[in-house]
Amino acid sequence: GAVVSQHPSRVICKSGTSVKIECRSLDFQATTMFWYRQFPKQSLMLMATSNEGSKATYEQGVEKDKFLINHASLTLSTLTVTSAHPEDSSFYICSASAGPYEQYFGPGTRLTVT
Amino acid sequence: GQQLNQSPQSMFIQEGEDVSMNCTSSSIFNTWLWYKQDPGEGPVLLIALYKAGELTSNGRLTAQFGTTRKDSFLNISASIPSDVGIYFCAGLALSAGNMLTFGGGTRLMVKP
Repeated sequence: GAVVSQHPSRVICKSGTSVKIECRSLDFQATTMFWYRQFPKQSLMLMATSNEGSKATYEQGVEKDKFLINHASLTLSTLTVTSAHPEDSSFYICSASAGPYEQYFGPGTRLTVT
Repeated sequence: GQQLNQSPQSMFIQEGEDVSMNCTSSSIFNTWLWYKQDPGEGPVLLIALYKAGELTSNGRLTAQFGTTRKDSFLNISASIPSDVGIYFCAGLALSAGNMLTFGGGTRLMVKP
């Protein structure tokens, strides 16, 4: 149980284009989903927290107009990187929480912006 | 944001050896979680600890929630090559809206 999927697993896009990443909780309903960014050999950095049906809460320094988050249902959240630039290249990971105590992570999406 | 102090940063050990890593914080947490991350993958939950003083095992893994609620350790006994990866501790404070605070990670390398 507690499986979280992400799609796509890898994406390469050109600078200036937008990319959408999907995060799904497959066998449970997620009241809250989290989006993280991870640079090589570093820990996970929380970007934003999203609750189903409400606006996402962004961490300090994360541009909400650049990283659009939609949490339309209890099993799906999407992260759209708008007008991507090479410095947006990173490993993006989502997690989902069914209750207050645990988070389950997706397999991650490797974004490369050329 | 705040990070937990996780040590050691990396370990290179012989297969069969035991491993110990720990995390400390200046803040109190309600829950401690230990994750393992393989290259190019998301973290996988290994052990969750919910009460101060709790000692929990999962196969060869044992973790404890410190009595002060500000620290936790993870032990791996009789390491094997597939234990290779990065181990992260994470603290969860209900007062922080269920957000996780992560340690910097411990990179484990096992020599067959």
